[in-house]
Amino acid sequence: GAVVSQHPSWVICKSGTSVKIECRSLDFQATTMFWYRQFPKQSLMLMATSNEGSKATYEQGVEKDKFLINHASLTLSTLTVTSAHPEDSSFYICSARDGGFETQYFGPGTRLLVL
Amino acid sequence: AQTVTQSQPEMSVQEAETVTLSCTYDTSENNYYLFWYKQPPSRQMILVIRQEAYKQQNATENRFSVNFQKAAKSFSLKISDSQLGDTAMYFCAFMKQNTDKLIFGTGTRLQVFP
Repeated sequence: GAVVSQHPSWVICKSGTSVKIECRSLDFQATTMFWYRQFPKQSLMLMATSNEGSKATYEQGVEKDKFLINHASLTLSTLTVTSAHPEDSSFYICSARDGGFETQYFGPGTRLLVL
Repeated sequence: AQTVTQSQPEMSVQEAETVTLSCTYDTSENNYYLFWYKQPPSRQMILVIRQEAYKQQNATENRFSVNFQKAAKSFSLKISDSQLGDTAMYFCAFMKQNTDKLIFGTGTRLQVFP
């Protein structure tokens, strides 16, 4: 089956620093990847859709200058949380769509803690 | 706007028994997809089952089956012969055709007891 990886699995950083999270599709090419955010005991909320070779599409209420997304290749998308603050602490999950199929395959998630 | 509602925050079932998780959704669309995802304690989201709205036949995957009632906008998940490894959060999700946006419900926490 399709496998999606994320790195790092967890990160702790100081307030004001930037953090980069990588999402890779390991055995398929993903023209479209997605970034979600999940607060404790809550559902997944789509933050943005990442398209290879073009600008990401952000959901309403998500600051594009704070959450920078780059999708430079068919197997890699990155999310950079710039000038992170404690309220950015959350679980960030990426997913990738396998070609023409509607199913999204999810990465294992990255837990971010901002002190 | 589409919404997905899971009215059961928590459910429990004894091993080997059957449990049904409820999901309702609201949409004006005719063509869409519905999914059930499982999120175990590891937090890795795993696809359990999917259903195309144009198909009348209910999807099944081994011990997992759905009861898709399009008119009622209901999409319940039945887990037969429950196993300890089924313990997880279960999310119902909706996707409009020709879009990539998954809309998730709030989840149901399922605990399987020995």
